[in-house]
This record gives sequence, structure tokens and C-alpha cells, in this order.
Amino acid sequence: DAKTTQPNSMESNEEEPVHLPCNHSTISGTDYIHWYRQLPSQGPEYVIHGLTSNVNNRMASLAIAEDRKSSTLILHRATLRDAAVYYCILIRPGTYKYIFGTGTRLKVLA
Amino acid sequence: EADIYQTPRYLVIGTGKKITLECSQTMGHDKMYWYQQDPGMELHLIHYSYGVNSTEKGDLSSESTVSRIRTEHFPLTLESARPSHTSQYLCASSPTSGRPGNEQFFGPGTRLTVL
Repeated sequence: DAKTTQPNSMESNEEEPVHLPCNHSTISGTDYIHWYRQLPSQGPEYVIHGLTSNVNNRMASLAIAEDRKSSTLILHRATLRDAAVYYCILIRPGTYKYIFGTGTRLKVLA
Repeated sequence: EADIYQTPRYLVIGTGKKITLECSQTMGHDKMYWYQQDPGMELHLIHYSYGVNSTEKGDLSSESTVSRIRTEHFPLTLESARPSHTSQYLCASSPTSGRPGNEQFFGPGTRLTVL
């Protein structure tokens, strides 16, 4: 299974943009890049996913490198409610496996 | 909003007791999963199911067992609880469709403490 590497923790000031990086140098051509986040005392929730092109939704944007070996989750204006652990996961179509890793713990400062 | 439920949310129980953690979803999803997560640590897949009468063990060895008699229900059972089973247990489901890398929907979790 292709692995991802993320920084253990990051800090951001409230109202500022946050860029959360993820390296996935062993990604295969069919792997989708998914991002989930886990708020304190809750189960993970889906944030966004993409294959090759950049993606936007109401929660975030996903920027994918041209060679697909890395991606960046962008929170345009961090709020205190965005403090969570963010997981970058590679999903191969048809597989059941979601390997979450340790993720990036985002702290948002007021 | 995901319609996946777990009960109980918190359980404190003595060693040797048999327990069942309940998980139900009303979305008609075929795939269901159980994860185990210790505080501040990563999630580990312990069981999954592709549909009724289908159950498989995940990546992390677990003494628990699961059953899938109905699509919407995926209970997890520990025959004899031990302190080493103390953890958070998260249930998830995802649809079976042509959509690649289906999104997983998670329940709120059950925090189990075995004394």
C-alpha cells in the first residue's frame, strides 16, 4: 500500500489561510488522494478528495502536484473549529483499506 | 449528515464480562468497518464487511468478533473483556458504487474502559 507522510503538527492563527502538506511519493496512477479530519472526541469526517486536478468544495481546497507525489490541503480562513487532526490517505479504487497514519494535528490560535 | 449510530457512547466494565458494541447505519451502505483508536494515536482497521454474511479481519489483530446478519447492523463482540481492550472503537460505512475511493462515514465512537 502506498504511504503518506505528513508533519506531526502545525499551528495557524485564526482567520489566516492554512496549508497542510502531504507527501505520497509511491502513489500509483489509480490512487485517489483523500483528506479526512478528526475533531476532538469525534470520529473522522471526510473533507475532500481528488485524482489529478485541483479541487474545491465548501470546506477546503486540494492542490495536487503535477507529478502527484505530493498534495496540499488548503483551509482558506482557519477558525477555532478547524482545530483537528488532518489525515491524508491514498485510496485505490475497489479497495477497502483506509490507512490513516498519524496525521497532522492542527492548532488554531485565537 | 451521516446516519450512522453507535451505542453505547461510553462503557466502563469489569474484566471478564462479555460486551457487544452496536453500530447501525440507515444509508443502505454495503461496506462497514470497525476501527480501534487509542488516545492520540492512529486508527487501526480491525474488522470489515462487504455485505450481509461477509466479515473479514483487518490489519490489526483483535480478539473481538463481528457479525453482519442485516445490511444496516454490524455489532462487535468481546467475549471476555480485559484491560488491554480499553480503547475507542469507531464504526464506519461506505457505499458500494462505481465511484472510486468511496467516502467513509464514521459514527461517533464508543469509548470502552475495562477495569
